[in-house]
Amino acid sequence: AQSVTQLGSHVSVSEGALVLLRCNYSSSVPPYLFWYVQYPNQGLQLLLKYTSAATLVKGINGFEAEFKKSETSFHLTKPSAHMSDAAEYFCAVSDLTGRRALTFGSGTRLQVQP
Amino acid sequence: GAGVSQSPSNKVTEKGKDVELRCDPISGHTALYWYRQSLGQGLEFLIYFQGNSAPDKSGLPSDRFSAERTGGSVSTLTIQRTQQEDSAVYLCASSFDRGQGNTIYFGEGSWLTVV
Repeated sequence: AQSVTQLGSHVSVSEGALVLLRCNYSSSVPPYLFWYVQYPNQGLQLLLKYTSAATLVKGINGFEAEFKKSETSFHLTKPSAHMSDAAEYFCAVSDLTGRRALTFGSGTRLQVQP
Repeated sequence: GAGVSQSPSNKVTEKGKDVELRCDPISGHTALYWYRQSLGQGLEFLIYFQGNSAPDKSGLPSDRFSAERTGGSVSTLTIQRTQQEDSAVYLCASSFDRGQGNTIYFGEGSWLTVV
């Protein structure tokens, strides 16, 4: 079964600093990879997804992620953090079974300091 | 509405009671999923429906949990004889079933508290 590992359950950055949230996947075949964001008391919103096209994927709110097969990574970055970026971020991989459900990482809570 | 709709948004129930959670997916989406989000447990897959196919129930944690989807649209997740460990946010999601890169859209969840 495929899986993802998110390194760091909590990340704190200063406003304007680089955001880097780490995700590593485990898969024997090319995966589909996703980043979702969850704001307090809300559902999950798709930030971006990798579907085997370009390895550098741009998403909403200035976020992007790069698929690196050699490192089995799909880290999420944003050049300059904004206070509104404070949320929980989930990396997910698409299951190769027929259900096509997502398997999620444990999440990383991003805190942005003024 | 245009998104996945869930009700109730909050439910407090006594231990041992049955609860029903409802999900109305995005119109035209043939795939529907239920996930559970517990504190410290992350997002746990529960069940998946795809069109008229038999659902994938492999994520249901016990036989107290069941779900149905009527007419290929609305789904109901039922928890019988609720326990305190069932307290969690139950998230419903839907998608077009056109390959594994399709985006899954989530509702805002039903927050269940068992007292």
